Amino acid sequence: DSGVTQTPKHLITATGQRVTLRCSPRSGDLSVYWYQQSLDQGLQFLIQYYNGEERAKGNILERFSAQQFPDLHSELNLSSLELGDSALYFCASSGAGLADNEQFFGPGTRLTVL
Amino acid sequence: AQTVTQSQPEMSVQEAETVTLSCTYDTSESDYYLFWYKQPPSRQMILVIRQEAYKQQNATENRFSVNFQKAAKSFSLKISDSQLGDAAMYFCAYRNAGNMLTFGGGTRLMVKP
Repeated sequence: DSGVTQTPKHLITATGQRVTLRCSPRSGDLSVYWYQQSLDQGLQFLIQYYNGEERAKGNILERFSAQQFPDLHSELNLSSLELGDSALYFCASSGAGLADNEQFFGPGTRLTVL
Repeated sequence: AQTVTQSQPEMSVQEAETVTLSCTYDTSESDYYLFWYKQPPSRQMILVIRQEAYKQQNATENRFSVNFQKAAKSFSLKISDSQLGDAAMYFCAYRNAGNMLTFGGGTRLMVKP
């Protein structure tokens, strides 16, 4: 158990819908990262938050957005869903410093868009 | 932008034997970290081993070791005395100064009893 929790575990929805994925980092971790694992794109970095502020952006679509709340949990919002958004979405967290910080991964949320 | 390449989509090893998984990367940075992650059927991402680019000594964690060739930008993973529980997808990952991970496409390792 990495200490990172993600809810829900599974999500099935229809095209055009909007969903929210939730992540709680390990106790004390200030950074949260979101990754997407799909069959055709592999594992891709989406976005990073550090103590409530957006720190880095990767290949995140404009239909996707995220935020980190004062209690440090984070939410990834996916809207106008398409079939290709079906994937495993991972959240990871790391500690306060930027150097030599292992990212601890949550169990993932499997999103299926029908 | 950094890229990470794993040229072996699948590998197979006999139980108790040794196997090496390959990884190459491309970067213009001098300070970075490299990782191998294991993803078993449960899909959990598990850190296997990491290497700091400034360290010349290859990292070792029990049966897992790396061969880090900085000039060649190569970072292979050696698994000794392979066990059935080692069967999984293995991902090589590069971490830049901003702490962002770039993953390779993965290698599926099968362990034959």
